[in-house]
Amino acid sequence: SQKIEQNSEALNIQEGKTATLTCNYTNYSPAYLQWYRQDPGRGPVFLLLIRENEKEKRKERLKVTFDTTLKQSLFHITASQPADSATYLCALDLGGNNRLAFGKGNQVVVIP
Amino acid sequence: DTAVSQTPKYLVTQMGNDKSIKCEQNLGHDTMYWYKQDSKKFLKIMFSYNNKELIINETVPNRFSPKSPDKAHLNLHINSLELGDSAVYFCASSPRGGNQPQHFGDGTRLSIL
Repeated sequence: SQKIEQNSEALNIQEGKTATLTCNYTNYSPAYLQWYRQDPGRGPVFLLLIRENEKEKRKERLKVTFDTTLKQSLFHITASQPADSATYLCALDLGGNNRLAFGKGNQVVVIP
Repeated sequence: DTAVSQTPKYLVTQMGNDKSIKCEQNLGHDTMYWYKQDSKKFLKIMFSYNNKELIINETVPNRFSPKSPDKAHLNLHINSLELGDSAVYFCASSPRGGNQPQHFGDGTRLSIL
């Protein structure tokens, strides 16, 4: 069956360190993958998109990698700040019509 | 200026009732979506419209009926509400085509008593 797995345990990290989140998937062949941020009581906010032929994408302090052999994406927040505390969702392209399948999300707590 | 707005933000109602949720986007996007986020936090696509035409219709009970009067609006009507319908419903929009980021509203929290 198709699965998208993100760590269910919250990641507690000291301010200034790098947070690394993992998104693993099985029985999907996404042409691209997206990462979103969700704050409590709010809708997801788009952060980054990476295509299957791209190894890495960066935006300010964020970096995403995409390994189609390992079926895995890593999401990094460098120099983390308390304002980065949120839940981060990965979303896989299901092919056609911009259909996305979302992971359950991984909470990050940045400790001052 | 709110990009994707949903009303109401909270909806509490009795089982068996019929209710509607409205969504409007001012981003000029062609495509709009409805998602359901259940208590386990999974966000699942329900429907998508492209310029008023239904293009995604996932396995959703036919008690749920979307309606798009124009490309800036996508409403969701739910008949005969059941306990399992309790969830947060998100509207989203994007430019037409694949590889597009989606812009979400802040959700409508539906609670069935």
